[in-house]
Amino acid sequence: DAGITQSPRHKVTETGTPVTLRCHQTENHRYMYWYRQDPGHGLRLIHYSYGVKDTDKGEVSDGYSVSRSKTEDFLLTLESATSSQTSVYFCAISARSGYGYTFGSGTRLTVV
Amino acid sequence: DQQVKQNSPSLSVQEGRISILNCDYTNSMFDYFLWYKKYPAEGPTFLISISSIKDKNEDGRFTVFLNKSAKHLSLHIVPSQPGDSAVYFCAASRGTASKLTFGTGTRLQVTL
Repeated sequence: DAGITQSPRHKVTETGTPVTLRCHQTENHRYMYWYRQDPGHGLRLIHYSYGVKDTDKGEVSDGYSVSRSKTEDFLLTLESATSSQTSVYFCAISARSGYGYTFGSGTRLTVV
Repeated sequence: DQQVKQNSPSLSVQEGRISILNCDYTNSMFDYFLWYKKYPAEGPTFLISISSIKDKNEDGRFTVFLNKSAKHLSLHIVPSQPGDSAVYFCAASRGTASKLTFGTGTRLQVTL
């Protein structure tokens, strides 16, 4: 999607290893979000940020941490990956909280 | 606790006919609702929204209806086209300055 890039697009990792997913935006939007998509659960919010170094937890934050040291980058870290964290992860941005998110193309993470 | 529910995981409609996708919510504080469309291997994209001061919003072939008393909204697509085949998520927030809560999604297939 224009203005928002997620990397990597695909990743396979082993249980217990740390993993970092990156979201990069060129829109200078204040708000950034990490969601995971799982069958039967839809999109669930993991963490979000409302400015540089300002972050907060979503509904499924256990096992995840985030950092935002620059407006354009929002990193999601799985400190010790587990099989239950196998999912598709989406980053989203918005100029105002809740109003019209723009999503990235997603990262498919498999934990074996 | 799923505050936004899409009870139909899938829907099949013939090309040219009307598609009706439904969404129910439990949180009476929600007052802003959106629909997103998602193709495989892509991020969700914004489709249409409605605020609680309205009961209908129209954009081309897409119309969203809101029934606040029933805590129910629906998305009508008329006429349905094969390119509409995708997963549709409804989402809700408390005003436009709040995080979005998504439903579980409905997979729409438009057949020839």
